[in-house]
Amino acid sequence: KAGVTQTPRYLIKTRGQQVTLSCSPISGHRSVSWYQQTPGQGLQFLFEYFSETQRNKGNFPGRFSGRQFSNSRSEMNVSTLELGDSALYLCASRDLGDYEQYFGPGTRLTVT
Amino acid sequence: AQTVTQSQPEMSVQEAETVTLSCTYDTSESDYYLFWYKQPPSRQMILVIRQEAYKQQNATENRFSVNFQKAAKSFSLKISDSQLGDAAMYFCAYRSLRYMRFGAGTRLTVKP
Repeated sequence: KAGVTQTPRYLIKTRGQQVTLSCSPISGHRSVSWYQQTPGQGLQFLFEYFSETQRNKGNFPGRFSGRQFSNSRSEMNVSTLELGDSALYLCASRDLGDYEQYFGPGTRLTVT
Repeated sequence: AQTVTQSQPEMSVQEAETVTLSCTYDTSESDYYLFWYKQPPSRQMILVIRQEAYKQQNATENRFSVNFQKAAKSFSLKISDSQLGDAAMYFCAYRSLRYMRFGAGTRLTVKP
C-alpha cells in the first residue's frame, strides 16, 4: 500500500494570506488527523476527521479549519496567516478501531 | 487533561551500547495506547513501538523494548545495541479514543 501523502511539501506565504494543505490517507483508512509541529510548542493536535465529519478538535483558533471528502482525502485551511503559523504540518491516517497512526512526510509552511 | 512528559531533552549513547529514554503521562482514562515515534532529520514520523494499556506484558520490537509501569504511569524506551541510524528525535505519545498527545521529545545522539 502507498503511504500517506501530503501536498505541497513546501510552501511560502505572506502574512494575511490563506493556505490550503492536502492529505491523502493510506488506502482504506477513513480517519485523518492533522498536527502542527513547531520548535517552541512541539507537536500539537489540530483535528481529526472521519467520514467527512470532524470528530475531535485541538485548541486552535477558528482560523484553522479542515474538511474531509468522501474518498477520505482531507484538506486543512489556515486563513489570515500569522508569522507564528510557520510550522511543519503533519497529517496521519488510521484504520477505525486501530489506535495506531501512520504519518505523512509533512508540509513545511513558512509565513513571511 | 492528558499530558505526556519527556524529562530528557537530549541523550547520548555510544554505538553498540544501551540507552533508555524516559516518559511519564497523566490520565484518568482506562483505555489508551502508548507509542514511541522516531523522527529523523527527514522529519518523517516513524512508529518504533506500541503498547496497549490493558496488556501487562512489555512490548518488544527487535532492539527496542519498553518498560511499561501502568500504576506509575511510566513508559520508557530501551534501545539495545545502538546504531548510528538510531540518531533522531524520539517522541512518546499517548492515544485514547479522543486524544493524541505527544511529549516534547528527546534528541538522541549516537557516537561512533
